[in-house]
Amino acid sequence: QQQVKQSPQSLIVQKGGIPIINCAYENTAFDYFPWYQQFPGKGPALLIAIRPDVSEKKEGRFTISFNKSAKQFSLHIMDSQPGDSATYFCAASSNSGGSNYKLTFGKGTLLTVNP
Amino acid sequence: GAGVSQSPSNKVTEKGKDVELRCDPISGHTALYWYRQRLGQGLEFLIYFQGNSAPDKSGLPSDRFSAERTGESVSTLTIQRTQQEDSAVYLCASSLEGTVRGITQYFGPGTRLLVL
Repeated sequence: QQQVKQSPQSLIVQKGGIPIINCAYENTAFDYFPWYQQFPGKGPALLIAIRPDVSEKKEGRFTISFNKSAKQFSLHIMDSQPGDSATYFCAASSNSGGSNYKLTFGKGTLLTVNP
Repeated sequence: GAGVSQSPSNKVTEKGKDVELRCDPISGHTALYWYRQRLGQGLEFLIYFQGNSAPDKSGLPSDRFSAERTGESVSTLTIQRTQQEDSAVYLCASSLEGTVRGITQYFGPGTRLLVL
C-alpha cells in the first residue's frame, strides 16, 4: 500500500515557469510533511516542510500548499531556474506511537528546467 | 562542518555474497537512519537508531538484513546472501534527537549496490 502518492513522475518547464508537484496521502495520522530535493549522485536534502495547522508556507521561491480535507499537498517553485533541475520527493510522518522519525516518501518527480 | 559520509560509494557483488555498508553520521547527532532507494522509487525506511535505545528495525525487508551502531557513531548495514533485488542505493541519514517532531534528517550521498 503506497501511503503517499506523488505526481507527475517527471516534469519539464522553461526557465521562469512555475512547476507544481502534487502529493496525496491516505493516513490521516500524518502530521508533518517535508519536501526533499535530490541532485544526481547526492543524498536528498530538506527543502521545506509544513504541518497541517497551516494551509501554505513559503520559503524563498518555494511554496507548499496544504489541503487537509482533501489530504493533498503540493510544491510550487516560482521563477524556476535551470539550477532547480533535480528530483523532488514529498514525504510524511506521524507522531502516532512515537514514530515521528519514520518518513514515508513519495516516488519522486524528476524536474527539468530548460534555459 | 562535515556532513554524513558513507562508504563505499559503489559496490558490485555477486549473488549470494555478503556486503557491509558503512555510515559516519554528523558528530553530535544521536539519531541515525538507513533507507533504501530502488530505481524510480521513493526512499524506503529500513532501520532507526536513537542513542542507547533499542533500534526500530521494522523496515528491514528480511532477516538477511541487519544493522549495528556503535554508541552514537558509526553504523554498518549488512546484507547477507545478497539477491539481485537488493540492488539499490542505500542511504544513511542522521539527526539530532530523532523523536522530536519534524526534526531535520541529513542524508549522506548513499552507497550504490549492484548485485550481479
